[in-house]
Amino acid sequence: DAKTTQPTSMDCAEGRAANLPCNHSTISGNEYVYWYRQIHSQGPQYIIHGLKNNETNEMASLIITEDRKSSTLILPHATLRDTAVYYCIVRATNSGGYQKVTFGIGTKLQVIP
Amino acid sequence: GAVVSQHPSRVICKSGTSVKIECRSLDFQATTMFWYRQFPKQSLMLMATSNEGSKATYEQGVEKDKFLINHASLTLSTLTVTSAHPEDSSFYICSSGLGGAPLETQYFGPGTRLLVL
Repeated sequence: DAKTTQPTSMDCAEGRAANLPCNHSTISGNEYVYWYRQIHSQGPQYIIHGLKNNETNEMASLIITEDRKSSTLILPHATLRDTAVYYCIVRATNSGGYQKVTFGIGTKLQVIP
Repeated sequence: GAVVSQHPSRVICKSGTSVKIECRSLDFQATTMFWYRQFPKQSLMLMATSNEGSKATYEQGVEKDKFLINHASLTLSTLTVTSAHPEDSSFYICSSGLGGAPLETQYFGPGTRLLVL
């Protein structure tokens, strides 16, 4: 799977949009971008994923650049409960088997009151 | 999303004893589950891949005789830490995938915190 680069930490004011960047310059054509987050002392939580089109769900939006070398996770109105470590992960498609998720260091997002 | 549960949520045991951690997929069948370990202030590290009805596949450096994995049904995988020592104290997390090709989405359990005294 392609390597990703994320800032170590970020702050965001409560109620504002949190924009978390991720670089994946070596991404291949069959690799998806996944985002997970881990709130302290909990298991990782799936947020969103995409291939090349922008995606939105009830939790967040995912913006992928046209060349697919970077992406941004957007939490539109950050709350204190969004304080967590956010992981950007690139995963290749498979031929039917299940694949492990390889975690990097992630971005520690601190939402400030 | 899919729900994966773990039991117990936390356990304290004496050095030399064995501890069993259960991972269940609550609303879907899981032919494959993954076991991770996370030390304080570190990221999750994959320990092993649990396959229903067959032997688990362990990552390099993980002792298969120390971390016994049993995946006897499509909804349950267990991880047994045998002869636990203080250095085994960690946060153990399981996951399983939902969906199929081209790529399933992995869902994670809430984790089990193990403290070995």
